[in-house]
Amino acid sequence: GQQLNQSPQSMFIQEGEDVSMNCTSSSIFNTWLWYKQDPGEGPVLLIALYKAGELTSNGRLTAQFGITRKDSFLNISASIPSDVGIYFCAGTTNSGNTPLVFGKGTRLSVIA
Amino acid sequence: DAGVTQSPTHLIKTRGQHVTLRCSPISGHKSVSWYQQVLGQGPQFIFQYYEKEERGRGNFPDRFSARQFPNYSSELNVNALLLGDSALYLCASSLAGRGISGNTIYFGEGSWLTVV
Repeated sequence: GQQLNQSPQSMFIQEGEDVSMNCTSSSIFNTWLWYKQDPGEGPVLLIALYKAGELTSNGRLTAQFGITRKDSFLNISASIPSDVGIYFCAGTTNSGNTPLVFGKGTRLSVIA
Repeated sequence: DAGVTQSPTHLIKTRGQHVTLRCSPISGHKSVSWYQQVLGQGPQFIFQYYEKEERGRGNFPDRFSARQFPNYSSELNVNALLLGDSALYLCASSLAGRGISGNTIYFGEGSWLTVV
């Protein structure tokens, strides 16, 4: 099935460092969503973006909806050990929400 | 309020068997979607239901079917199980289906299916 291009695939960082990951698509999306998934659990919604150019923060997390509507990034500032997990971007081309197209995920490891 | 609830959480089936997975959406949400997530990949869309009608279907064989009940809960059925059907099956709920912008999608914990 279709998937977004998400990078990097994995990251090892020191606690306190900032993290950046991004997603690109060949198609225009109307909605971008960022999820975090811990082992054995379902994805948890972090940030939702609905307008091109929109920049939204949720605590130490900041995400932006690219102007071209074909990309999005997620930044995590001052990482902590509980940030460990897999981060997924997801987008939809419909004016509604589904179906979501997901990236392959970015596996984040934080070294204390 | 309870989030999206799924059952069972884990199950093991034999090739050729049938499986039924269940999902209850967040209270007030009328749309339920199903996704399959194999190890190392992002979730793949299987079905969306809104107001008990199928509103979307992903690229999955006819062995996969689903339905939504009047209380908006949903079942995913898979017949003639194959080894490759082993995956985490995720249910997601949202307020509305297509044509409504600005809604967000919330996932359940998933049902881990192992086919042996």
